[in-house]
Amino acid sequence: LAKTTQPISMDSYEGQEVNITCSHNNIATNDYITWYQQFPSQGPRFIIQGYKTKVTNEVASLFIPADRKSSTLSLPRVSLSDTAVYYCLVGDFGGSQGNLIFGKGTKLSVKP
Amino acid sequence: DVKVTQSSRYLVKRTGEKVFLECVQDMDHENMFWYRQDPGLGLRLIYFSYDVKMKEKGDIPEGYSVSREKKERFSLILESASTNQTSMYLCASSLGGDSAETQYFGPGTRLLVL
Repeated sequence: LAKTTQPISMDSYEGQEVNITCSHNNIATNDYITWYQQFPSQGPRFIIQGYKTKVTNEVASLFIPADRKSSTLSLPRVSLSDTAVYYCLVGDFGGSQGNLIFGKGTKLSVKP
Repeated sequence: DVKVTQSSRYLVKRTGEKVFLECVQDMDHENMFWYRQDPGLGLRLIYFSYDVKMKEKGDIPEGYSVSREKKERFSLILESASTNQTSMYLCASSLGGDSAETQYFGPGTRLLVL
């Protein structure tokens, strides 16, 4: 099973770019990498997903090296409202869903 | 937008009580999930279901059971609640199929077992 490892916490200031790295050394061929964001007292919310190389959407970018043993979520120019916990999820999501694995999350604190 | 609702935001029960947590999704999703979330442990999968009346154990099924009689509803049951089941419970759903897909989460139920 592909376990994930993330930093427990990170601090940043408004306007900075934030990069959060997730390690998943045992990622399987069929696994995708997905990141979720969670605010206090809410359920997690999908941010971005990728399989390899780079993916970008209106919220973030996801960088995945060729060996896929890690991935980096990049948040450009963070604001106070980006303060949240960010989860890295690795799984194939198809057929049997039994191998969904969430990391423990990274608590991002954005300061003015 | 997909909407996942959970029957209660907060719940207080006593040890030994039978507890039902209900989850409903309105997008005809095939897959539904129950997680619990505890400080320092992140989200852990309890059970999931990929079809009506179908269920699979997740990482921590002990002490829990589930029921999915209708496609839109997935219930988590604590047969005899214990204090170590005090937690935040999150329900999620996803479309289903072979492609990688997003999970949509409900707001969570914070359960306190006394």
